[in-house]
Amino acid sequence: DTGVSQNPRHKITKRGQNVTFRCDPISEHNRLYWYRQTLGQGPEFLTYFQNEAQLEKSRLLSDRFSAERPKGSFSTLEIQRTEQGDSAMYLCASRLAGNTEAFFGQGTRLTVV
Amino acid sequence: GQNIDQPTEMTATEGAIVQINCTYQTSGFNGLFWYQQHAGEAPTFLSYNVLDGLEEKGRFSSFLSRSKGYSYLLLKELQMKDSASYLCAVDRWLGGGKLIFGQGTELSVKP
Repeated sequence: DTGVSQNPRHKITKRGQNVTFRCDPISEHNRLYWYRQTLGQGPEFLTYFQNEAQLEKSRLLSDRFSAERPKGSFSTLEIQRTEQGDSAMYLCASRLAGNTEAFFGQGTRLTVV
Repeated sequence: GQNIDQPTEMTATEGAIVQINCTYQTSGFNGLFWYQQHAGEAPTFLSYNVLDGLEEKGRFSSFLSRSKGYSYLLLKELQMKDSASYLCAVDRWLGGGKLIFGQGTELSVKP
């Protein structure tokens, strides 16, 4: 078990481009979460999956953001028509249902120029 | 809604003890997490309290009072490498187990 893995670690993109990030959770974890974090703030919830079902999406998430977890294993987060305000660290976490620890990946740092 | 408060910054001296407080107001409370986050890195798990009381893990201890909506993280024998942000996060049984984070407490350990 290598923990939660995220790719890429860093992404620089031009405003208006689309980007996609990938998260591979710990293999037996059925719950997967995406968060966004900006400097000096705590992680902000974006969306979560239980197996392949996306059960909640933050109101803060615009229509430009979409996430999938097609087979209940890895997940992707896509941002369309990126804006400078999308620059942040995107974190993925996974856990088992119940009172269990949540583990984070190393994050993908997005810079929109 | 939820409200989670923790101090923005704290400073302490190497070898000392520091207590980082977290207060919360939420419905459907399940437990409380503490994470450590070094600059530019992901949060790493420190503790998870579900029941009232103190849990000790080496130099780090965490306390929870569910009735008061209060938790603290106690760090003993501070080391320079403990300089980091400490995140308090509420775990709710409503909302699929997502964690709701406070803004974090930036701890600076000075020689």
